[in-house]
Amino acid sequence: NAGVTQTPKFQVLKTGQSMTLQCAQDMNHEYMSWYRQDPGMGLRLIHYSVGAGITDQGEVPNGYNVSRSTTEDFPLRLLSAAPSQTSVYFCASSHPKSQGYQETQYFGPGTRLLVL
Amino acid sequence: AQSVTQLDSQVPVFEEAPVELRCNYSSSVSVYLFWYVQYPNQGLQLLLKYLSGSTLVKGINGFEAEFNKSQTSFHLRKPSVHISDTAEYFCAVRIGSGGSNYKLTFGKGTLLTVNP
Repeated sequence: NAGVTQTPKFQVLKTGQSMTLQCAQDMNHEYMSWYRQDPGMGLRLIHYSVGAGITDQGEVPNGYNVSRSTTEDFPLRLLSAAPSQTSVYFCASSHPKSQGYQETQYFGPGTRLLVL
Repeated sequence: AQSVTQLDSQVPVFEEAPVELRCNYSSSVSVYLFWYVQYPNQGLQLLLKYLSGSTLVKGINGFEAEFNKSQTSFHLRKPSVHISDTAEYFCAVRIGSGGSNYKLTFGKGTLLTVNP
């Protein structure tokens, strides 16, 4: 298993540009989520999904869109990038209905985004 | 809403010394508690978790944590640290079980620096 993969690893955008951060998992996990990590702020939840076709907002959803058309993929879209969105973005997945409710979230390696 | 407080943003220690990273949470209902570790330029990896049962939880790399319900704490300990333990450590909490509430709330992190 490749686990949770994220692309790209690095990205530089200009203010107002749009882009999609890709996240995929091959563990058949139902739950997927996006976090952003900023110095001194820990990880903050942006959006999450409990299954294909179901998404919901987290703590800091403004400026981001998500969709979940398949179990495997959970892309994060920035429609009009702003300097405040400069951050490291992590995707995570887990399988709440697995035997024993393992509860472990598996994280991808992250995408470093700089918005100029 | 639940919150997680990591009382120390940075903890410098010498190699082979013991270390305790402190974590307190606020919640009036049952919680699941986690410690994650992030090595430089990597994603997060689960160290250990408390779901139920024994309040002393052992994790990977010689770490352990003790759940104290009366003090709403989940402090992380290691009796003898190595240079390779240098990393950022995050405490996280999830409320309740089942349903659709899989969201983790993270503390702001503690940077552990182990010096020779």
